[in-house]
Amino acid sequence: GESVGLHLPTLSVQEGDNSIINCAYSNSASDYFIWYKQESGKGPQFIIDIRSNMDKRQGQRVTVLLNKTVKHLSLQIAATQPGDSAVYFCAVADTGRRALTFGSGTRLQVQP
Amino acid sequence: DSGVTQTPKHLITATGQRVTLRCSPRSGDLSVYWYQQSLDQGLQFLIQYYNGEERAKGNILERFSAQQFPDLHSELNLSSLELGDSALYFCASSGGGWGLYGYTFGSGTRLTVV
Repeated sequence: GESVGLHLPTLSVQEGDNSIINCAYSNSASDYFIWYKQESGKGPQFIIDIRSNMDKRQGQRVTVLLNKTVKHLSLQIAATQPGDSAVYFCAVADTGRRALTFGSGTRLQVQP
Repeated sequence: DSGVTQTPKHLITATGQRVTLRCSPRSGDLSVYWYQQSLDQGLQFLIQYYNGEERAKGNILERFSAQQFPDLHSELNLSSLELGDSALYFCASSGGGWGLYGYTFGSGTRLTVV
């Protein structure tokens, strides 16, 4: 089965700095990846996704990088703001079961 | 508001009891998914229903069961509750896609077993 890991449980950054959150996955056949943001008391919110035929995808202030060779993806947040403080999860989509396998999360703390 | 409604928001019950969690999917979505999130952990997929039928199972215990009704709302039944069942339970719904408007989570039900 799929297992998804995250490199750091907590990441603390200064407001205005760039943040990088990393994630590793185990199944080389995985072909669709999603980053979610979870604020306290809320469900996961979609941030950005990427398919395995891409190496990079950009959104508003966020970029996801995918390295299939080493089965690693990262989420970059530019000019991190206090409102970015949350737990961030990477998830791998199982297109057969239409279910998501989540990593354990990285808590991003933005210091003013 | 994601459009996915979960009730109740909080539930406190004793060991050995049975509870029912409810989920109303986003309008038009036929699929409902249940996930369990233990303290500071990622979400674990439990089960999926599509238009009233079970479609996929994940790490769901035999003490847990679910169903989806003709109006597409779903219920997750947890019985013989143990302390370790304390967690956040999330429901997600989907109309077929994955992205921003595809796979949407509710705000969850926090279950505390004492």
